[in-house]
Amino acid sequence: KQEVTQIPAALSVPEGENLVLNCSFTDSAIYNLQWFRQDPGKGLTSLLLIQSSQREQTSGRLNASLDKSSGRSTLYIAASQPGDSATYLCAVKKSSGDKLTFGTGTRLAVRP
Amino acid sequence: DGGITQSPKYLFRKEGQNVTLSCEQNLNHDAMYWYRQDPGQGLRLIYYSQIVNDFQKGDIAEGYSVSREKKESFPLTVTSAQKNPTAFYLCASSLARGSGGYTFGSGTRLTVV
Repeated sequence: KQEVTQIPAALSVPEGENLVLNCSFTDSAIYNLQWFRQDPGKGLTSLLLIQSSQREQTSGRLNASLDKSSGRSTLYIAASQPGDSATYLCAVKKSSGDKLTFGTGTRLAVRP
Repeated sequence: DGGITQSPKYLFRKEGQNVTLSCEQNLNHDAMYWYRQDPGQGLRLIYYSQIVNDFQKGDIAEGYSVSREKKESFPLTVTSAQKNPTAFYLCASSLARGSGGYTFGSGTRLTVV
């Protein structure tokens, strides 16, 4: 059974710092991996989707990498801002028609 | 704009009542999903449907029921058999096959009073 772990569970950084969020998964045979953001009391917003054949995806200040062989993905946030404060979740899909398996998230606080 | 609409945003249920949460999407997605989120826990899958008139149980289906009569709609009923229904409920959709990701709605917070 696929298990997804996100470390750290919580992180507090000063504004402007570059930071890395980690996601690890136990079964490296994945189809794709998706990073989401969740603000308190809100739904999930998709940030980046990485296919199994890709090594990274970028969107603005966000960069997500994927290393299938080691079962790891990282989300890099450059020049963090207070508006980046949220919970970040990663989720993996095993095959094309399969369901997502979610990690428990990293709660990020960016201090002004 | 395409998206997923969940309603209501807040819902209160009395003991012994059934309540239905609405989820509608206009993304032309084949698959739809219902998740439950509790504080400090990850998302847990309740039910999912990959095609109209067909659905499967997820990890925590007991006390819940669904229907999929239209491609756009996937309502979730929380029955009186669900003993601890207070939670945040999230609906999502995706293509049934292919490399696309999931799109989520804004959620419904259900509270037992």
